[in-house]
Amino acid sequence: DVKVTQSSRYLVKRTGEKVFLECVQDMDHENMFWYRQDPGLGLRLIYFSYDVKMKEKGDIPEGYSVSREKKERFSLILESASTNQTSMYLCASSSRFQGLQAFFGQGTRLTVV
Amino acid sequence: GIQVEQSPPDLILQEGANSTLRCNFSDSVNNLQWFHQNPWGQLINLFYIPSGTKQNGRLSATTVATERYSLLYISSSQTTDSGVYFCAIISSGGYQKVTFGTGTKLQVIP
Repeated sequence: DVKVTQSSRYLVKRTGEKVFLECVQDMDHENMFWYRQDPGLGLRLIYFSYDVKMKEKGDIPEGYSVSREKKERFSLILESASTNQTSMYLCASSSRFQGLQAFFGQGTRLTVV
Repeated sequence: GIQVEQSPPDLILQEGANSTLRCNFSDSVNNLQWFHQNPWGQLINLFYIPSGTKQNGRLSATTVATERYSLLYISSSQTTDSGVYFCAIISSGGYQKVTFGTGTKLQVIP
């Protein structure tokens, strides 16, 4: 089974802090994604990556950056956390060899105070 | 971009009842998946179904790609079926991006 693991289930950070959310997948998938989920707004794509060191902006990239130095790991970085980044963050991976079927991690609920 | 609409937005069922959730999409698709989001927020894969019909226990799904819709059937519902159900697609011209529907929130009461 594909396993996508996010580093934290719950996280509380202070405004202005630099925050790293880590995601690791164990199925050699070339594609990885970061979404955020907010009540009434659904799931929105922040960034995705289709290869090591490659990244593409999603629908709401402002205030975020990403890093993909190794194929299995995709990091989401909040350079200076703000309260409007309080949200549920979901990481996913997929592969064209599996029909681009997406597999999700357990989610990280981030609160910025 | 492609639009994905789900109906109904909310559904309350008595335990044991059957239900049908619908997903309409505005463009041709390469991939369609159904997910169940559990109370802890994790998205659980239910079906990968770009076309045709699949069954898994009490759940089944049908996608009619030519008519741009998919249906998720839940039979003999249980309280553990409660949660939010999402339809997610990758459009034919949409690279690898997954676009989610707005979800159907299901509550199954004893």
